[in-house]
Amino acid sequence: GENVEQHPSTLSVQEGDSAVIKCTYSDSASNYFPWYKQELGKRPQLIIDIRSNVGEKKDQRIAVTLNKTAKHFSLHITETQPEDSAVYFCAASSQEGYKLSFGAGTTVTVRA
Amino acid sequence: EAGVVQSPRYKIIEKKQPVAFWCNPISGHNTLYWYRQNLGQGPELLIRYENEEAVDDSQLPKDRFSAERLKGVDSTLKIQPAELGDSAVYLCASSRDNWSETQYFGPGTRLLVL
Repeated sequence: GENVEQHPSTLSVQEGDSAVIKCTYSDSASNYFPWYKQELGKRPQLIIDIRSNVGEKKDQRIAVTLNKTAKHFSLHITETQPEDSAVYFCAASSQEGYKLSFGAGTTVTVRA
Repeated sequence: EAGVVQSPRYKIIEKKQPVAFWCNPISGHNTLYWYRQNLGQGPELLIRYENEEAVDDSQLPKDRFSAERLKGVDSTLKIQPAELGDSAVYLCASSRDNWSETQYFGPGTRLLVL
């Protein structure tokens, strides 16, 4: 099955700086890669996703890049704010397209 | 649009007791998922429903876990008997249909087995 590895496990940044989280996946047939943000005690919320026919996608301060050859994708958060503090999960879909395999998560702390 | 609803939000039980979790998906969403999220880890799929049919239960520990979605809307996940290692957050998610990749999660039920 699909195996997703996520790094780093924790990330502390100064407010206004950028944060980058990287994920690798094992199944070359995976074609959908969402990112979820989970605040303490709350539900995971989709913040951005990318499909395999696109190399990069941006939404305001958040961007995701995908390298299918190397089987890795990254989340970039620019101009970080305190409300960006949360756990971020990457995921990759299986060949069936619906079965998401999640990374272990990255705890992001934005220091004011 | 109301989100995915789950209850209870928290549950504390002693080992060997039964426990049940309830989920109501977003209205109109045909696909429903149950995930288990252990502390410090990402969610892991337990079972997926297309309407009332369980189309993938390969990750569900069938000796003690069961699930149902009788009318193709809300769903119940049951554990009987519970073990200490079952302590986790149980998340329900839904998507519009089998071809919609975007999954929307509920707030989860946090289970503590003593």
